[in-house]
Amino acid sequence: AQRVTQPEKLLSVFKGAPVELKCNYSYSGSPELFWYVQYSRQRLQLLLRHISRESIKGFTADLNKGETSFHLKKPFAQEEDSAMYYCALSGQGGSYIPTFGRGTSLIVHP
Amino acid sequence: DTAVSQTPKYLVTQMGNDKSIKCEQNLGHDTMYWYKQDSKKFLKIMFSYNNKELIINETVPNRFSPKSPDKAHLNLHINSLELGDSAVYFCASSQAARAGELFFGEGSRLTVL
Repeated sequence: AQRVTQPEKLLSVFKGAPVELKCNYSYSGSPELFWYVQYSRQRLQLLLRHISRESIKGFTADLNKGETSFHLKKPFAQEEDSAMYYCALSGQGGSYIPTFGRGTSLIVHP
Repeated sequence: DTAVSQTPKYLVTQMGNDKSIKCEQNLGHDTMYWYKQDSKKFLKIMFSYNNKELIINETVPNRFSPKSPDKAHLNLHINSLELGDSAVYFCASSQAARAGELFFGEGSRLTVL
């Protein structure tokens, strides 16, 4: 069974501070990991995926298979980063359906 | 040009009623999904429909039934609504079953009184 854990329900920081949203996963095969973001009154949208290894809006995430983690990081948070962030895992074979973590609400104060 | 659209966006109804939520995607995707987001914002898969193959989450009560007239549409019908069904229901699609990225609709907020 595949599982995604986001230990923090809420993360509150000040503008300019570094941000790290934690994500740990459990999956026996080779997973594909994603971060989705939901801004206020908007639909969920993909932020980044581990296979693309790119930085989006200043965010990066590295897949650490040893620690089974895919933490989302940004060195300097901006107010417009305030949103709900979901980590998701897609497996292989019959478990391709993405499983989402519980989400972390990021609030960036001015 | 909305890629994934759901109707209605808001639905308020009484316990025991039957209701449907419609979803359409114009992306030409093969796979569609229904997710339920509860009051704690937890997103949980309900169904996936890929090229006429329906994959059901076994924890979903059989009062919930998806219907896909074609690959661009995946509707959700709910019988005998209960208070616990109150949630936001999200439709999503992906290019293929293992394409990875999901494209979401705006959600349909269901309130059962």
